[in-house]
Amino acid sequence: GAVVSQHPSRVICKSGTSVKIECRSLDFQATTMFWYRQFPKQSLMLMATSNEGSKATYEQGVEKDKFLINHASLTLSTLTVTSAHPEDSSFYICSARDRGRGNEKLFFGSGTQLSVL
Amino acid sequence: SQQGEEDPQALSIQEGENATMNCSYKTSINNLQWYRQNSGRGLVHLILIRSNEREKHSGRLRVTLDTSKKSSSLLITASRAADTASYFCATDADGGANSKLTFGKGITLSVRP
Repeated sequence: GAVVSQHPSRVICKSGTSVKIECRSLDFQATTMFWYRQFPKQSLMLMATSNEGSKATYEQGVEKDKFLINHASLTLSTLTVTSAHPEDSSFYICSARDRGRGNEKLFFGSGTQLSVL
Repeated sequence: SQQGEEDPQALSIQEGENATMNCSYKTSINNLQWYRQNSGRGLVHLILIRSNEREKHSGRLRVTLDTSKKSSSLLITASRAADTASYFCATDADGGANSKLTFGKGITLSVRP
């Protein structure tokens, strides 16, 4: 149980295009979903926190107009990287909390490797 | 900002040996968690220890927490080649539904067969 599906796993796009990444909780309702960015051999940097039906809360330094987050239901959150540039190339990971299992541990998607040419 | 700082940054051991990884943090916490990440994949939760706990066990894992020193350790006993991965500690200051986890930089563990 508590499976988080993230899609796509890998995407290559041209500079200037937009890319949408989906994060779904398959067998539970997610109270909160989190989006992280990770550079090679580095830690996870929290980008934003999203709750179903409300605006996402972005971390300092994260451009909300560039990284659009939509959390339309208790099982789906999306991250759209708008007008992507090579510096946006990174590994993006979503995670979610299971409202039925308490508020502690996070369940992670398998990540999306974004490469912007 | 980084809260947890793990050491060592990299650890290489022989299969069957024990692996000890340490994590230090700066501010007060509600709980501390350890996660594992295989290369190019998401993270998997390993174990959680609350601020009022000192030690927990889960299979071959043993985690300790010393809130006076703001440090935690993760011990993996009888390591296996399949334990090769990156390990992260993460601190949770609040423990609520919207509470954020702050991750350390991670430890790369290599277990030689």
